[in-house]
Amino acid sequence: NAGVTQTPKFQVLKTGQSMTLQCAQDMNHNSMYWYRQDPGMGLRLIYYSASEGTTDKGEVPNGYNVSRLNKREFSLRLESAAPSQTSVYFCASSSGTGDQPQHFGDGTRLSIL
Amino acid sequence: LAKTTQPISMDSYEGQEVNITCSHNNIATNDYITWYQQFPSQGPRFIIQGYKTKVTNEVASLFIPADRKSSTLSLPRVSLSDTAVYYCLVGDTGGFKTIFGAGTRLFVKA
Repeated sequence: NAGVTQTPKFQVLKTGQSMTLQCAQDMNHNSMYWYRQDPGMGLRLIYYSASEGTTDKGEVPNGYNVSRLNKREFSLRLESAAPSQTSVYFCASSSGTGDQPQHFGDGTRLSIL
Repeated sequence: LAKTTQPISMDSYEGQEVNITCSHNNIATNDYITWYQQFPSQGPRFIIQGYKTKVTNEVASLFIPADRKSSTLSLPRVSLSDTAVYYCLVGDTGGFKTIFGAGTRLFVKA
């Protein structure tokens, strides 16, 4: 029962470096999401993909790009990392629209120096 | 999107029932109410979801009054392992822009 798998679990980058966070789900879900969570805060939506082949901006998309590679995989790319992007990144998936429960991965802890 | 308001933190003791109330005054007709639990260093986990009246599962109960402007998550007989952050969300039916607030930090003491 893998559910939602994120890689890597931890990463340290230098300012200006690029990085792709990977996410895969094995629940045959249509929708996938990327969130960031800063210390002591709730989750903020970066991008989402309603279905394979579509992506849309969430609340905080600046500095990120996404790719819905296929139905299973949804990646998040930082083209030029900045210290303000230091955060924990969570990927989630759900079967349908925003009222459907989301299933989350365990997160990627990203530090940018 | 309906905004939610929850208490920032709550304390309880083992064995007690805990009720966490969430306000969502601008909830839309088709919106559902969903609660998640998050432990440190983990992603949020779905607890319960409802539309109106009462919903119960093996983990919790969710009470929703007729006007649906608030909801209450009830955790029966909490244990130390229930120490976590609890988020109340109102579903954006037809859309995907889920909003997580700051949540309620529940601390269960022995």
